[in-house]
Amino acid sequence: KQEVTQIPAALSVPEGENLVLNCSFTDSAIYNLQWFRQDPGKGLTSLLLIQSSQREQTSGRLNASLDKSSGRSTLYIAASQPGDSATYLCAVRGIIQGAQKLVFGQGTRLTINP
Amino acid sequence: GAGVSQSPSNKVTEKGKDVELRCDPISGHTALYWYRQSLGQGLEFLIYFQGNSAPDKSGLPSDRFSAERTGGSVSTLTIQRTQQEDSAVYLCASSFQAVPDTQYFGPGTRLTVL
Repeated sequence: KQEVTQIPAALSVPEGENLVLNCSFTDSAIYNLQWFRQDPGKGLTSLLLIQSSQREQTSGRLNASLDKSSGRSTLYIAASQPGDSATYLCAVRGIIQGAQKLVFGQGTRLTINP
Repeated sequence: GAGVSQSPSNKVTEKGKDVELRCDPISGHTALYWYRQSLGQGLEFLIYFQGNSAPDKSGLPSDRFSAERTGGSVSTLTIQRTQQEDSAVYLCASSFQAVPDTQYFGPGTRLTVL
């Protein structure tokens, strides 16, 4: 059974700091791993997708890494801004018990203080 | 039990035509999501329905896109006046509860706009 864990559950930092969000998963047989953000009451915004054969992806101030063998991914946010405040979700996609599934972590609630 | 089903599996249409894509979620799942995936890209969230609440349409790329969910079960995604950039695989997923609950995906509808 695939389980995805995100640490920390909540994080509050001053504006301008660099920060790292962690995601771990128990089954390394994945197609890909995707980071999303979710604003209150809203759906999901895709941030970065890492295919199982890749090690990292970058988009602007965001960098995500994937170590499939150890079941870990990190999302690095540089020079944080108040607009980065949201819940960040890590999700792994794969075939689990014969069905295609997207398994989410519980998320990290990030607050950037001006 | 039955998983998420989608129809048609493939749809080829001419630019300017309207198309309807159907999703039958897993029975008892209150949350239903539509995503699309272009070649080599991650999941792009389109819309989500949660119970009887108003759907979150924040991911719909234009007013040519709309979706309905009748009776809390079957959903139809409608694309009016299709454009070539609408070509993608449209994926439906359902979950027992809203994110971060595990989402179960249908096989998708591959839409090609000529």
